[in-house]
Amino acid sequence: NAGVTQTPKFRVLKTGQSMTLLCAQDMNHEYMYWYRQDPGMGLRLIHYSVGEGTTAKGEVPDGYNVSRLKKQNFLLGLESAAPSQTSVYFCASGEQGLYTFGSGTRLTVV
Amino acid sequence: RKEVEQDPGPFNVPEGATVAFNCTYSNSASQSFFWYRQDCRKEPKLLMSVYSSGNEDGRFTAQLNRASQYISLLIRDSKLSDSATYLCVVNAGGSYIPTFGRGTSLIVHP
Repeated sequence: NAGVTQTPKFRVLKTGQSMTLLCAQDMNHEYMYWYRQDPGMGLRLIHYSVGEGTTAKGEVPDGYNVSRLKKQNFLLGLESAAPSQTSVYFCASGEQGLYTFGSGTRLTVV
Repeated sequence: RKEVEQDPGPFNVPEGATVAFNCTYSNSASQSFFWYRQDCRKEPKLLMSVYSSGNEDGRFTAQLNRASQYISLLIRDSKLSDSATYLCVVNAGGSYIPTFGRGTSLIVHP
C-alpha cells in the first residue's frame, strides 16, 4: 500500500545508546517531518525537510539529528538516548496541511 | 497565547448525539485548515479539509470563521466508532510548517 512506512515500530534503549529511525514514503512528496507525541503535549515538530539534501530544525530539535539523502527517506537519529526521549515518534510527508503519517515508533529509554 | 487552541475535553456523549468542537487560531495569515482524527495509539489521519464556505462529508460538517479566527467540526448522529481525538491543523500561506492543535477527545458511549 502506498504511504509512509516507519521502522522500527517499538524499541527499548538504554540511556546513552544510539539508534536511527527510518521513514520511507512512496508518494514523491518533497516535504517530510518528524514529530514526537507525549501525553498532554500534542505533536511537537523535531526536524523537517523540504527536499532531498535539506533539513531544518523544528520546535524540539535538541538531542536529535536527521538526514535526507534520498527523496523518499528521512532518517531520525538519537546519538545518546536519554529517558526524556521516551515518546511516540511519528513521521509525516505531504504539504500545505495535507499529510500522511507513518504508524509511529514507540521508544522507551531506560 | 498558543497559536492553535482546542478544548481538550473529553466530550462524553451518547450514541446519536450531535457534538461540536471549536479550534481557535491566532495567525491571521493562516490560509488552509484541516481536521485530523487520531485513534488511541494510532497515527493521525486526515478527516477533512475546511473550506471558506463550509463543507460537509456525511455526518461531518466543517466551518471556518475568519473574522473570529476559528474553525469548527460538527458531528451528527454520533457513533461509537467516532470515539477518538480530533486535531485541528492550520497552515499559514507559504509556510512549510503546519500548526497542530493538541486535540479534543471525544468519547461516544452506548
